[in-house]
Amino acid sequence: AQSVSQHNHHVILSEAASLELGCNYSYGGTVNLFWYVQYPGQHLQLLLKYFSGDPLVKGIKGFEAEFIKSKFSFNLRKPSVQWSDTAEYFCAVTPDSNYQLIWGAGTKLIIKP
Amino acid sequence: GAGVSQSPRYKVAKRGQDVALRCDPISGHVSLFWYQQALGQGPEFLTYFQNEAQLDKSGLPSDRFFAERPEGSVSTLKIQRTQQEDSAVYLCASSIGEGGGQPQHFGDGTRLSIL
Repeated sequence: AQSVSQHNHHVILSEAASLELGCNYSYGGTVNLFWYVQYPGQHLQLLLKYFSGDPLVKGIKGFEAEFIKSKFSFNLRKPSVQWSDTAEYFCAVTPDSNYQLIWGAGTKLIIKP
Repeated sequence: GAGVSQSPRYKVAKRGQDVALRCDPISGHVSLFWYQQALGQGPEFLTYFQNEAQLDKSGLPSDRFFAERPEGSVSTLKIQRTQQEDSAVYLCASSIGEGGGQPQHFGDGTRLSIL
């Protein structure tokens, strides 16, 4: 069965530290890849997405993600985090031309001021 | 409103009761999804509507779960004879187009607790 794995359930960083959250998926074909974020008390919202083309994708709030097909990975990065980045981050995948999003378990990120 | 609206935000029910959860998607959005999110987990797909047609209900955990979207807009997820394992957050999402690859817009969810 297809699955998405997020390696870290909890991450604690200080402000200005660099961030990388891992995401791996198991599906051999073409995929669409997403990162969603849920800030405290808010609904899930799209951070960035990859469909095709340049494997380095830039999203909102200075986030970026790199699709590495050979590693089945779509890691999320940010060079310098802020306290306001405290949130839960979800990686999600849908096989091409499919609508079912398959989600990772999420990573809770806490930024210490 | 501009976003997906879900009601109620919180629902507490006794085991065996029936519940109905409502989703009001973004106006004009063709696709509507229901997800179930257990504590500490990512959302899990329940069902998908394209307009009023329920194209996929493969994620519904049992025949106690039923969803409808009769006029292609508002959707209701109904759970009959609730069980404790039904306790979860139920998320609704909509997207403007059909099928896969479209970013989904989420509501705040309904947190269901079964006593």
